[in-house]
Formats: sequence, structure tokens, C-alpha cells
Amino acid sequence: GAVVSQHPSWVICKSGTSVKIECRSLDFQATTMFWYRQFPKQSLMLMATSNEGSKATYEQGVEKDKFLINHASLTLSTLTVTSAHPEDSSFYICSARAPGQGLHEQFFGPGTRLTVL
Amino acid sequence: SQQGEEDPQALSIQEGENATMNCSYKTSINNLQWYRQNSGRGLVHLILIRSNEREKHSGRLRVTLDTSKKSSSLLITASRAADTASYFCATDDYKLSFGAGTTVTVRA
Repeated sequence: GAVVSQHPSWVICKSGTSVKIECRSLDFQATTMFWYRQFPKQSLMLMATSNEGSKATYEQGVEKDKFLINHASLTLSTLTVTSAHPEDSSFYICSARAPGQGLHEQFFGPGTRLTVL
Repeated sequence: SQQGEEDPQALSIQEGENATMNCSYKTSINNLQWYRQNSGRGLVHLILIRSNEREKHSGRLRVTLDTSKKSSSLLITASRAADTASYFCATDDYKLSFGAGTTVTVRA
């Protein structure tokens, strides 16, 4: 099946710094990638939809200037958490949908755990 | 936005027993999907059921869908310790909206 990787798998940073998380589709081209955030013992909340070569579409309540998304190629999307604060500590998960996937399946990365001190 | 609500929130069963969890949603759907998440990991796609389907099987999994009641159920038969995980339903209108999830613990 299709594989999506994320890097890093975990990161600890100081408050006020920026952190970049990469999401790669390893064996398929993903025209659309999604970024989710998951707080402990909660469900996944969609943050934004990222289309290759265009601006990301953010969900209501998600600050686009704080969570910068770049989808520069068909296999890579990045999420940058700018000026991170402790409340940004969360599990960030990306997913990718490949063109022509008639079953509408999304392939999920393993997630990145961000801890902001 | 989060559309699905799942019930129960947590379920503890003995190995070999069946586990049933339910999902309700609010709007019309193209399809509904079920995912599993092991603690601290990414999601694994389990099964997709289309809006014109009523029941679907995959191995030990059985999913039903009742669009008139806007609800779905996931049954895991003959549970194993390895089935211990959180299970999420997600409605699909191109982007997925996840339910709150059911945490299943299978005791050996």
C-alpha cells in the first residue's frame, strides 16, 4: 500500500522558536495532503488542506500565519509552527490522497509529537 | 469540523469476545470510513462503506451503515489483544471529519 512518512517523529523545542515538520508520500504522487492535530485522548482535528502548487486552505479557527503550510512538490508538504508556545504541544499527523484513488482513501503518516517547553 | 460522535468512549473486553462501537453523524455523506490508531501512532485505514451500502465485511470486521439514522457500527469479532487501540469513524466529503473515537482494551 501507499506509504506516507513524517519527519521528525518527535521534537522538543523552546517557546518562541519555529519548528518544521515534513510529510512525504514515498511511492505515489499526492496532489492533496491534509494536516491534522490531535491532543491527548482526543480525536483528530483537520487543520488545513494542502494542494500542490497552491495556497493551503485552513479550517476555521486555525491561524494561517502561525501554521505555515507549503506543498511545493507532489511528494512533499511541510508544516511550520512559528513562534511555538506550550499550547501548541500536540501530535501532528499528515495524510495524503493520491489522484485516481477511487476509494477515497487517505494514507496517514505516523505522526510527529511536538513538545514546546 | 468534527462531525461524528462515537459510543461508547471506552470499551474493555476479554480476548475472544466481540466488540461493537457505534458512530453517529450529522450531514449527508459520500462514504464513511473506520480507522484504527494504536497509542501514539498514525492511523490505519480499516474499511470504507459507501452511502449506498448497508453492510460490509473485512476479515473479523463488520461495518453497517444506516443512512436514515445517520449511524454506523463497527463490530470486531473474536477480539485479540492486538486489537487494543482507539477506533475512529470518519465521514468523507473529500476531507475527513473524525468522530471522538472509542478506546478498546482487549484483556488477555
